[in-house]
Amino acid sequence: GAVVSQHPSRVICKSGTSVKIECRSLDFQATTMFWYRQFPKKSLMLMATSNEGSKATYEQGVEKDKFLINHASLTLSTLTVTSAHPEDSSFYICSALTDIQYFGAGTRLSVL
Amino acid sequence: GQNIDQPTEMTATEGAIVQINCTYQTSGFNGLFWYQQHAGEAPTFLSYNVLDGLEEKGRFSSFLSRSKGYSYLLLKELQMKDSASYLCAAGAGSYQLTFGKGTKLSVIP
Repeated sequence: GAVVSQHPSRVICKSGTSVKIECRSLDFQATTMFWYRQFPKKSLMLMATSNEGSKATYEQGVEKDKFLINHASLTLSTLTVTSAHPEDSSFYICSALTDIQYFGAGTRLSVL
Repeated sequence: GQNIDQPTEMTATEGAIVQINCTYQTSGFNGLFWYQQHAGEAPTFLSYNVLDGLEEKGRFSSFLSRSKGYSYLLLKELQMKDSASYLCAAGAGSYQLTFGKGTKLSVIP
C-alpha cells in the first residue's frame, strides 16, 4: 500500500510556543490530505481537509488561526499548532488520499 | 449528523472467531471502512464495503447492510498480533470519513 510519513512522532514543547508537524506522501501524489486529532479512547476527529494549492477547509469548532495548514506541494502538508497550550496536547494524525485514505503514524504532542 | 457506534472493548481467544459490530447514521453515505490501529501507530486499511453483502479477504471479512445502517468485521483464526483497536468509519461526501471510537480487541492465549 501507499506510504505516508509523519514527522515528528513525538514532540514536547513549552506553553506559548509553536509546533510544526509534517505529513508526506512518499510514493504517490496527494491533492487532498486530512488532519485528525485523537484523544485517548476517543475516535479520530477530523480537524481539516488540506487541498494542494488552496486554503484548507476546517471543521466546525476548529480554530483556523490556531491550527495553520499549508499544503504547498502534492506530497507535503504541514500543520502548525500556534501558541500551544496544555489543552492542545493530543495525538495528531494525518492522512493522504488516493483511492482511499492512507494514514501517517501520528504525532504525540505534549505541551507543558 | 453523523453517528457511529461500536463496542468499546472485546476479548477473544487465540484461534477463535470474533465479530465486531458497527452501526452508523450518516448523511451522504458512500461506503463503510474498517481500519486496524495498534497503539501509537497509524491506522491501516482493512476493508471497504459500498454494496450490501460480505467481502472476504483472507482471515478478515466485512459485511454491510445499507438499509439497516449496519456493518461487521469478522476475524477468523485469531492470532495474538490481532490485538489492536478496530475502527469503523463511514465515508461521506468528498472522501471524508467519520470514525467510531474504535473497538479494542484483546486476544488471549
